[in-house]
Amino acid sequence: QKEVEQNSGPLSVPEGAIASLNCTYSDRGSQSFFWYRQYSGKSPELIMSIYSNGDKEDGRFTAQLNKASQYVSLLIRDSQPSDSATYLCAVKEYGNKLVFGAGTILRVKS
Amino acid sequence: EAGVAQSPRYKIIEKRQSVAFWCNPISGHATLYWYQQILGQGPKLLIQFQNNGVVDDSQLPKDRFSAERLKGVDSTLKIQPAKLEDSAVYLCASSLSWGAQTYEQYFGPGTRLTVT
Repeated sequence: QKEVEQNSGPLSVPEGAIASLNCTYSDRGSQSFFWYRQYSGKSPELIMSIYSNGDKEDGRFTAQLNKASQYVSLLIRDSQPSDSATYLCAVKEYGNKLVFGAGTILRVKS
Repeated sequence: EAGVAQSPRYKIIEKRQSVAFWCNPISGHATLYWYQQILGQGPKLLIQFQNNGVVDDSQLPKDRFSAERLKGVDSTLKIQPAKLEDSAVYLCASSLSWGAQTYEQYFGPGTRLTVT
């Protein structure tokens, strides 16, 4: 099975700062990438999808994809305490199957 | 639009007992997924249905796990007999379809299973 790697963290940032979350994947042929947010005791919530190299912005979130380096990142601008959660990176395999990383714990301190 | 529904939300059983989980996907979503999420790990796909047919069950422990989606809507996942290592959150997700084109997956609230 293809692998998706994330730093487990925790990543601690002060309120108002930019949080940068990173993900690498093993399958060079992967085309579709997703970021899910998971609060403690809750299920994953889709926050971003990205399919093309470059940046994709949605509100305070920016996803960045570099297929040559097999690298996906998520930037959260103006981080808020409510952003504290685990962020899961997922990569699509054939058939719409998702392979998830173990997630990065983000803590935003006020 | 209603999201993915799951029940029960919590279940505690003893090892060697059986348990069943139910899922109702988002209306109109043809593809349904069951994932297992062990504490500290990302979700792992157990089985994927397209309508009432199985697309992928390569990671389903078939000696103890079974799943069905008889009418192409609701689905049931069963474990019999349960082992201690089955303690996890069982997540159901759905998407419009599957295949070469990408369809976003949306998760239900999950069922937290504890096997003692």
